[in-house]
Order: sequence, then structure tokens, then C-alpha cells
Amino acid sequence: NAGVTQTPKFRVLKTGQSMTLLCAQDMNHEYMYWYRQDPGMGLRLIHYSVGEGTTAKGEVPDGYNVSRLKKQNFLLGLESAAPSQTSVYFCASSATSFHEQFFGPGTRLTVL
Amino acid sequence: DQQVKQNSPSLSVQEGRISILNCDYTNSMFDYFLWYKKYPAEGPTFLISISSIKDKNEDGRFTVFLNKSAKHLSLHIVPSQPGDSAVYFCAAKDNAGNMLTFGGGTRLMVKP
Repeated sequence: NAGVTQTPKFRVLKTGQSMTLLCAQDMNHEYMYWYRQDPGMGLRLIHYSVGEGTTAKGEVPDGYNVSRLKKQNFLLGLESAAPSQTSVYFCASSATSFHEQFFGPGTRLTVL
Repeated sequence: DQQVKQNSPSLSVQEGRISILNCDYTNSMFDYFLWYKKYPAEGPTFLISISSIKDKNEDGRFTVFLNKSAKHLSLHIVPSQPGDSAVYFCAAKDNAGNMLTFGGGTRLMVKP
């Protein structure tokens, strides 16, 4: 039982490049989330999903897209990376919105 | 405008003493509050939660207090241990949505 895993752990991009971050969970959770963490800002929700095939915008969705084609996977895409997207990205999942969220180990992204 | 604030970015306490971490919120629609703990290079892990119908919840060395009239919650750790050294985030959820709103975090350092 691996919980929530994220791929890759680290990545360096140049401005304008694209990439996809993969999140996988093996707890059969319906809800999945993508957050970014910046110093002093806590965690801010980018997008989330309440079930397979659904996505919704969070607090800071601009510049990101997501897809939830399979229940266990939640992908976060950056189509044209910008230096402002340098951050640590965390994926999380939960059984329902009323249950605790389980977090992955994070992906550190640097955009030059 | 941050709806959840942790005004102390850091806190240092001696091993065996009490640690008190504070959190203030502005949204009166928040009805569920959680504390997460985060070690470096790891994702946050759930610590303890409290519903707005309660004013106290205890789990071992950890107690969360909620003062709804003051829109304030606090986490007490007694006795503090060096392994408690981490960043602590408070988070809140409103009854209308699926999202958690996080505070900026407080770094706790417990000195042996």
C-alpha cells in the first residue's frame, strides 16, 4: 500500500516548456487535489477532482490544466511554464470531502 | 486576502514543555478545522481535527481548541518532544465546498 505517489520528484524547466506531473493513489479515493506550496503562503489549491472524469478549479488555477481519466490517477499539466510557477507541488487524495486528505511527497519544480 | 492566518512563522520551546500553535480565520462559514504536520522533503500528514460543534478535541499529547466567537483555534502539544519539530499548518473547510483553505504554517522547534 503505497498511498499517494508523485512523479517526478524534481524537475527543472526553461520558460515556455511544458510538462506533466503524475499523481497516483491506491486507496480507492474519490477525491484528488493538486496544491502548490510557496514560502509563507501555505498550500494553495490549484485544481481538484471529485471523481473519475471530473475536474474543478481551485484557488490558483491559471496556467495549469488537469485530467482524471482513471480514478487512481490525477495529472497536472503546465503548457507553457513561467518562472512564477517555480514551487513545490503536492498531490492529495481523500475518500470524501469530509475525510482527511492524504498527501504525496511533493515535486520540486524550478522554472528558469 | 488570507482567510486562514498563522501569525507566528516560528516557535521554539524546550523539550517537555507545552507548545501552543495559533490560527485565526475570517470566514464564518468554516465548519471543520484540521491541523497538518510537515517534515522537510515530505508531504503534510494529518494530525488532528475539530468540528465547529465542539470546542475541544484531544488525541494523546495533542489537543485542539476552537473559539468560534473569536474565530480562533489553537493546537497544544504536551509534553513537547524533539520529534515534534516540524512545520504545522492549520486548515479549514466550509460547509458549501470541497476545498480546504490552509494557513501559512508555523515552524516549531523543540530543543532537547
